[in-house]
Amino acid sequence: DAKTTQPPSMDCAEGRAANLPCNHSTISGNEYVYWYRQIHSQGPQYIIHGLKNNETNEMASLIITEDRKSSTLILPHATLRDTAVYYCIVRPEGGSQGNLIFGKGTKLSVKP
Amino acid sequence: DTGVSQNPRHKITKRGQNVTFRCDPISEHNRLYWYRQTLGQGPEFLTYFQNEAQLEKSRLLSDRFSAERPKGSFSTLEIQRTEQGDSAMYLCASSLDRGRIYFGPGTRLTVL
Repeated sequence: DAKTTQPPSMDCAEGRAANLPCNHSTISGNEYVYWYRQIHSQGPQYIIHGLKNNETNEMASLIITEDRKSSTLILPHATLRDTAVYYCIVRPEGGSQGNLIFGKGTKLSVKP
Repeated sequence: DTGVSQNPRHKITKRGQNVTFRCDPISEHNRLYWYRQTLGQGPEFLTYFQNEAQLEKSRLLSDRFSAERPKGSFSTLEIQRTEQGDSAMYLCASSLDRGRIYFGPGTRLTVL
């Protein structure tokens, strides 16, 4: 089962920041937080991942709380093409397990 | 980097028929994953390979399903005696060891 909890849906105005929350209260010390998104009828696309520190790349920023029990994905200037389902996933590093366990994600609708 | 490719993109079959899907991972990736996704749900893990060895299989992978990766490059997923409940998007993904996982566009199966 997925170890994360996300709101089922969110709306965001075009050009504004989209802040997508994720709870992962049972996260272990060696587990990373990954974010993927899935645009309709396409495969999931990697966005960003982090362990403890905040991370930023060309797509988004990831803010992880100090206790690591929750995180927020920030799309700084959302566009209509950011409309998608966003998945927050915790993934252990090390050991043999390598796959991703998806929940239902958050359906983000960016509106003009 | 040509990405993960999957063929066919769409398959319509009659109940009871066998179907086979192909996945070509990113060329240097040694891990290959299969997922299944039904409408409104996140992708569910089916199985993964490290090179040619199938290392993990989900309980979702019934006896009618078989996956192979004979030379550690491309992989095939076969479903025998298809049932209407097999209708789903079948996603393939690959990674280099435990690195970032990249997904293909998926094969949409419809069983009539």
